[in-house]
Amino acid sequence: AQSVTQLDSQVPVFEEAPVELRCNYSSSVSVYLFWYVQYPNQGLQLLLKYLSGSTLVKGINGFEAEFNKSQTSFHLRKPSVHISDTAEYFCAVNDYKLSFGAGTTVTVRA
Amino acid sequence: EPEVTQTPSHQVTQMGQEVILRCVPISNHLYFYWYRQILGQKVEFLVSFYNNEISEKSEIFDDQFSVERPDGSNFTLKIRSTKLEDSAMYFCASSADHSNEQYFGPGTRLTVT
Repeated sequence: AQSVTQLDSQVPVFEEAPVELRCNYSSSVSVYLFWYVQYPNQGLQLLLKYLSGSTLVKGINGFEAEFNKSQTSFHLRKPSVHISDTAEYFCAVNDYKLSFGAGTTVTVRA
Repeated sequence: EPEVTQTPSHQVTQMGQEVILRCVPISNHLYFYWYRQILGQKVEFLVSFYNNEISEKSEIFDDQFSVERPDGSNFTLKIRSTKLEDSAMYFCASSADHSNEQYFGPGTRLTVT
């Protein structure tokens, strides 16, 4: 079974600063990786996904992630955050079902 | 844009009662899922469903749980005799194939009292 570890449970950041959320996965033959965002009292929205091809994946709202097979990582980055990016972020791996990490709470302050 | 819908948005029930949570997946999707998220915890897989049968289930999905696709559009999760620890947000998801993106519904918040 595949699994995901999100290394930071909480990340406070100032508006317009960069942010990186770390995610490591357990290795497998085929890896399909995802980042989802959950805004307060809402469902899960896909930010970006890696299925194959280019290791740098661009998503919605200015987010991007890099798949690194040798380090079994899929870290999420945004060069300049907004107050509206305050949310819970989940990394997930697909092994016929999604296995989610514990989540990282991002709090953006002015 | 097509979306997954779930009803009700919030369900309050007494311990021991049966509840049915309903979902309408995206119409051309073939794979259906239920997940749950206990308050403050991570999202956990419950069950996946394909070709009118369960393809995989987790340890959480015990005999108290069942799923059904009663017609061509609905996908339901039934909890036969609810317990306090079943209180959680339940998310339905669907996908076109098993490896690609899963689209999530807005969730049903189940409160067992």
